[in-house]
Amino acid sequence: NAGVMQNPRHLVRRRGQEARLRCSPMKGHSHVYWYRQLPEEGLKFMVYLQKENIIDESGMPKERFSAEFPKEGPSILRIQQVVRGDSAAYFCASSRGTGEYTGELFFGEGSRLTVL
Amino acid sequence: DAKTTQPPSMDCAEGRAANLPCNHSTISGNEYVYWYRQIHSQGPQYIIHGLKNNETNEMASLIITEDRKSSTLILPHATLRDTAVYYCIVRPQAAGNKLTFGGGTRVLVKP
Repeated sequence: NAGVMQNPRHLVRRRGQEARLRCSPMKGHSHVYWYRQLPEEGLKFMVYLQKENIIDESGMPKERFSAEFPKEGPSILRIQQVVRGDSAAYFCASSRGTGEYTGELFFGEGSRLTVL
Repeated sequence: DAKTTQPPSMDCAEGRAANLPCNHSTISGNEYVYWYRQIHSQGPQYIIHGLKNNETNEMASLIITEDRKSSTLILPHATLRDTAVYYCIVRPQAAGNKLTFGGGTRVLVKP
């Protein structure tokens, strides 16, 4: 059973470009969470999604950032018009919604965005 | 979610037990204690969780005080690969509850 898959693992963008980060949850998981970790800082929650729905986006910056989790395919975190301050590691996690749910979130290895 | 307090850092000798404390004096009745760790540059890794009984798995043991206001994560035989930041988090178990990470404890296992 593959774990949470994130790609790309490393992404370099110039200021003003767009960044798209993808996350495929573990098989059978219907909940996806995105976190951001700035250099030398802690993990900050950004957004929580279920299939086709945004449940909690309290940690998302109001502008330039968006997330989706379509019925088919991976969850996408999109950053428009990137700035240097967006340089960070972006982690995705997934969890079950029902059944034998222990509250555990499974994290991917992250996508590291560098903005030049 | 209830707030947790952890020491910012601690050292541990390789092969010895590492005891990581966590205070959560405002924990609610429906909140579980979760422990995660983040090894440098990797994604966080689940370690263990519990409600009020002590728990043990292949990675660690979790000791929760009777009043549930504090807990201790025990790594029984620390190895160099256990060097990481350890996070104590309290939250309800129900689906859809995000984890809120604090500063954690930076554990350095020394040979």
